[in-house]
Amino acid sequence: LAKTTQPISMDSYEGQEVNITCSHNNIATNDYITWYQQFPSQGPRFIIQGYKTKVTNEVASLFIPADRKSSTLSLPRVSLSDTAVYYCLVGDWGSGNTGKLIFGQGTTLQVKP
Amino acid sequence: SAVISQKPSRDICQRGTSLTIQCQVDSQVTMMFWYRQQPGQSLTLIATANQGSEATYESGFVIDKFPISRPNLTFSTLTVSNMSPEDSSIYLCSVLNPLTSTDTQYFGPGTRLTVL
Repeated sequence: LAKTTQPISMDSYEGQEVNITCSHNNIATNDYITWYQQFPSQGPRFIIQGYKTKVTNEVASLFIPADRKSSTLSLPRVSLSDTAVYYCLVGDWGSGNTGKLIFGQGTTLQVKP
Repeated sequence: SAVISQKPSRDICQRGTSLTIQCQVDSQVTMMFWYRQQPGQSLTLIATANQGSEATYESGFVIDKFPISRPNLTFSTLTVSNMSPEDSSIYLCSVLNPLTSTDTQYFGPGTRLTVL
């Protein structure tokens, strides 16, 4: 399973776009990149998953360059409620694989008014 | 997405006792996992709960301390045995169904355990 590196913390203000970059230099060919959000006293919540290029959903966008050695989670116009810990994970969870998730320390995003 | 419930949501226990945590999913899933999150820390995988067979434990976790059952495709239990204050953590179950298009893993709300 590829190791990931993220900034420990980030600060932002309401209404700004936030970009959190994750490094995963040893990503394997079959690995997907997945981001989770965790609020205090809650289980992690799935945000977005991608393999290459760009993925967008109603919550965020995920940018993955051609070499796939990094990825950037983009949160448009954050609000105070986006204050949370964001985890980047890399792995191959397709059928027949172990499905294990190895969590790094995550990025604590603090959104200020 | 799968809806996951855990019981109890929290508990305060005395050292030396044991607590069994239940994880119930609203649909059949192929894989279930148990994680521990110590205060202020990230999540650590304890084991993979295998349906109808013994769980697969990660390094540093043993069956005698964390016995796990998974009698069917929607239910699993984790027991924290002979507890000590160091076992105070949030325990989370998660599920994965590789049959879905995104192979997404979903987490339960967690069980907050305090050992006195």
